[in-house]
Parts: sequence; structure tokens; C-alpha cells
Amino acid sequence: LAKTTQPISMDSYEGQEVNITCSHNNIATNDYITWYQQFPSQGPRFIIQGYKTKVTNEVASLFIPADRKSSTLSLPRVSLSDTAVYYCLVGDPSGSARQLTFGSGTQLTVLP
Amino acid sequence: GAGVSQTPSNKVTEKGKYVELRCDPISGHTALYWYRQSLGQGPEFLIYFQGTGAADDSGLPNDRFFAVRPEGSVSTLKIQRTERGDSAVYLCASSLGAGGYNEQFFGPGTRLTVL
Repeated sequence: LAKTTQPISMDSYEGQEVNITCSHNNIATNDYITWYQQFPSQGPRFIIQGYKTKVTNEVASLFIPADRKSSTLSLPRVSLSDTAVYYCLVGDPSGSARQLTFGSGTQLTVLP
Repeated sequence: GAGVSQTPSNKVTEKGKYVELRCDPISGHTALYWYRQSLGQGPEFLIYFQGTGAADDSGLPNDRFFAVRPEGSVSTLKIQRTERGDSAVYLCASSLGAGGYNEQFFGPGTRLTVL
């Protein structure tokens, strides 16, 4: 499984757009990129998944450059309730591995 | 609809005791996972069930840890002779199918404290 590197923490203010970048230099051809969000005392929650270019859903956007060695999770106009840990995961959906491999994640703190 | 539930939410035990942690997955989800999360770390995989069988138990740290899912629904994680290092939040997740990276739905976890 490809190793990922994310910032340990980030601060932002309400109403701002937040971009969290994840590095995955050894991503394999069949690997997808997935982001999970975790609030205190809760299990992680799926946010978004993508393979290349841009993916957007009602919660976030995921930008993946052509070389796929990094990806950026974009959260538009964050609110205090977006304070959470965000995990970037890389893996092959068609592969035999079923478990998710989490790193330490990025602690996002949204300030008023 | 009902999500993944875990009981108890908190468990305090003494070193050397036996504990059981229960997971009720989302109805119809055939895949069930157990993870362990220590403070400040991401969840760490323990074991994966497809139906009643343990398809991958490579994450279990040693033979004190065991999990069952006898009817393909509820699962129990069992820890014998608990040690202080077992203190963590134990998370359960379920997903619809066996394909890798089917979205996993997590429960709130059981916080285990071994004194």
C-alpha cells in the first residue's frame, strides 16, 4: 500500500476555503485516493474518493494532478463543525486488501 | 436508518481480565472489520470478516485477541489476559460487499481502559 504524508495540523477561520494536501509519491497505477473524516469520539466517515483530475460531491472536492503523486482535499467555506481529523488513504479497490490503512491524519481546527 | 452500533461504549477492566466487545453492523452488510485506535493515531486494522468467516486476521497483535461472527451479522472481539497496552478505542466497521474499498461505515467505538 502506498505511503501517504499529510500535515499534522491546520488552522482556519469560519467561511474560508481549506485545502489539505496529501503526498503519495509511490502511488500505483490501480490505486485510488480516498479521504475520511473523524470527529472526536466517533468512527471515521467517508468523504470522497477519486482516481484522477477532479471529483466533487456535496461535501468536498478532490483535486488530483496528472502525475497523481499528490492530492488535495478542498472544503469550501468551512464552519466550526468541520473541526476534525482528516485522513488520506491510497489503495487498489480491485486488490485483495480489504482493510483501510490510515496514517496519523491532519487535525483541522476551524476558529470563529 | 440504523448505523453500526458497538457496546459497551466504555469498558474499564483490570490487567489480566477477559473482555468482550460487541459490534452490530448495518443490516445486509456482509463485510465486517475491527480496528484499534490509540490516542493521536489513525485506526489500525485488526481483522476482517466476509460472512461468518475471518477472511483476514493478519492485524491481530497476538493470540490473546480473537473475534467471531457466528451468524454473519453480530461480531464479538474477545481479548484474554488484558494488558495495559491494550487500552485503546476499538472500532468496528461494515460494508456492503467484498470488493476492496467499498465504503466502510464505522461505529462510534468502544473505549477500553486496562488498569
